[in-house]
Amino acid sequence: AQSVSQHNHHVILSEAASLELGCNYSYGGTVNLFWYVQYPGQHLQLLLKYFSGDPLVKGIKGFEAEFIKSKFSFNLRKPSVQWSDTAEYFCAVNLYNTDKLIFGTGTRLQVFP
Amino acid sequence: DGGITQSPKYLFRKEGQNVTLSCEQNLNHDAMYWYRQDPGQGLRLIYYSQIVNDFQKGDIAEGYSVSREKKESFPLTVTSAQKNPTAFYLCASRRRAGGQDTGELFFGEGSRLTVL
Repeated sequence: AQSVSQHNHHVILSEAASLELGCNYSYGGTVNLFWYVQYPGQHLQLLLKYFSGDPLVKGIKGFEAEFIKSKFSFNLRKPSVQWSDTAEYFCAVNLYNTDKLIFGTGTRLQVFP
Repeated sequence: DGGITQSPKYLFRKEGQNVTLSCEQNLNHDAMYWYRQDPGQGLRLIYYSQIVNDFQKGDIAEGYSVSREKKESFPLTVTSAQKNPTAFYLCASRRRAGGQDTGELFFGEGSRLTVL
């Protein structure tokens, strides 16, 4: 069965530190990839997505992610985090040409001033 | 305003009772989804529907049922067969390819079900 793995369950950083959250998926076919974020008390919202083309995609709030097909990975990065980035981050995979969309277990990020 | 409305926001039920969670969208999206969110387990797909009168099981469909009689509505019934129903349930919708499919899911505010 297809699955999405996020190995970092809880990450604690100080402001201005760099961030990298891992995401790996298991599916041999073509995929569309997403990162969603859930700020405390708010809806899940889209951070960025990859469909095709340049494997380095940029999203909102200075986030970016790189799709490495050979590693089945789509890691999320930010060079300098802020306290307002405190949230839960979810990686998601859509199997190409289907509507099935699977989420990872999420990574809780806490940023301290 | 366009969006997804879930109701009720909080729901309590006794063991052995079925309960139906409502999800309505006015975004004219074709695809709709139900996820269950539990701490440390992320979002797990229960059911999804691509078009009216059609739906597919997700990864944890046992003990749940859905219907899709109208494009706007995708109710979820949590039956007494669901062994651990206490959870936070999220409904989402997505515009499909056919037009420009952004791929983005739009989520409702969620329904928190507690079984007593």
